[in-house]
Amino acid sequence: DAGITQSPRHKVTETGTPVTLRCHQTENHRYMYWYRQDPGHGLRLIHYSYGVKDTDKGEVSDGYSVSRSKTEDFLLTLESATSSQTSVYFCAISTTGGNSPLHFGNGTRLTVT
Amino acid sequence: GENVEQHPSTLSVQEGDSAVIKCTYSDSASNYFPWYKQELGKRPQLIIDIRSNVGEKKDQRIAVTLNKTAKHFSLHITETQPEDSAVYFCAAKEILTGGGNKLTFGTGTQLKVEL
Repeated sequence: DAGITQSPRHKVTETGTPVTLRCHQTENHRYMYWYRQDPGHGLRLIHYSYGVKDTDKGEVSDGYSVSRSKTEDFLLTLESATSSQTSVYFCAISTTGGNSPLHFGNGTRLTVT
Repeated sequence: GENVEQHPSTLSVQEGDSAVIKCTYSDSASNYFPWYKQELGKRPQLIIDIRSNVGEKKDQRIAVTLNKTAKHFSLHITETQPEDSAVYFCAAKEILTGGGNKLTFGTGTQLKVEL
């Protein structure tokens, strides 16, 4: 599993509340990513990080923010959750910046009611 | 940015038959193409990948082909088995501003292998 742990695994929250998802890795990889998975859309990149305090937006970043204060942790925050953010969220790492695959965590299923 | 299209969205085959899933990409600068398998409720897992300097790669019953000119790549599974039933995703890589790999994914193919 490439030493990736996502927490929580499941969460139900109400519209308008802030939510933080955590991704923890144990192998000191530089690159970390947050994707969301929705039926009919595949996996879409939300934000990514290329080092401590170095982050950038992906294609579906509106309504999300991230932080990476330590190599091992990459946090995804939904500022004010909406029903459209109901999804499965996957954290991923890549071992290098070259042609290396992404390795995914087990995912967080988030339901916004 | 990159756009990846994947077909078919569903595929049903008889056990022992072959299955082919096709993808096209838009960015000629993309140079890395992985394939992922995702079982129900699980994470996507890499099954095979190909780099743009190679036209074909095989790993046991799985093969991937790449046509850079046409911007096509395909996954071939031979002698399919029930455990091959899953959703398969293709992807193409873009290089990100800060380094690292942005994978743009296709929308997935639900493969069902029937007994």
